[in-house]
Amino acid sequence: QVRLQESGPGLVKPSQTLSLTCTVSGVSIVSGGDYWSWVRQRPGKGLEWLGSVYYLGDTHYNPSLESRAIILLDMEERNRFSLTLNSVTVADTAVYYCARDVMNRRIDVWGQGTTVIVSS
Amino acid sequence: DIQVTQSPSSVSASVGDKVTITCRTSHDVNGWLAWYQQKPGRAPNLLIYAASVLQDGVPSRFSGGGSGTDFTLTISNLQPEDFAIYYCQQADSFPYTFGQGTRLEIK
Repeated sequence: QVRLQESGPGLVKPSQTLSLTCTVSGVSIVSGGDYWSWVRQRPGKGLEWLGSVYYLGDTHYNPSLESRAIILLDMEERNRFSLTLNSVTVADTAVYYCARDVMNRRIDVWGQGTTVIVSS
Repeated sequence: DIQVTQSPSSVSASVGDKVTITCRTSHDVNGWLAWYQQKPGRAPNLLIYAASVLQDGVPSRFSGGGSGTDFTLTISNLQPEDFAIYYCQQADSFPYTFGQGTRLEIK
């Protein structure tokens, strides 16, 4: 059974960098066919796709992030990937989900989500 | 980017009713449309992908249809556990985009 679990600080100061890790179990992130993704949900709002990465290097980001995001796969451990979001503002306060995107056609497994608050 | 518009934004229904939610995309998404259910405090759960394919483990009272730019999610014989928020998502091209959500409430 594939499981994903997010981890990272729950509080980040404005202008600093948000760093989250997703630990994957039940499948290797380099097994092929899967994109590894981040989605967030601001308080009381809908879902916002942030970006996806494939183990062969194909990476895509939401243009709304204005090049602030980097998603990386841990090619040594092969069971983790990360999201780095720099220059955060209060608008980046959200629940962040990591997720598996099968064949870049459906997001079938989600982490439980981690709340990140941006505040001084 | 492909815009995704859901309607209605909210709907009230009773247990046993049938409900249909609509999703419209700004461009043809070649059938790559997924539906998710989200309950309070929980991660979204995939219900349907490729417009009409039921994800494993999802009850058959959920069905999806449509093509091109117009899609539907139908829930027949509503059960108490179905009251939640539903999102559609286009998976045809990056950047992925979601609809704004439809809140299904108990009448």
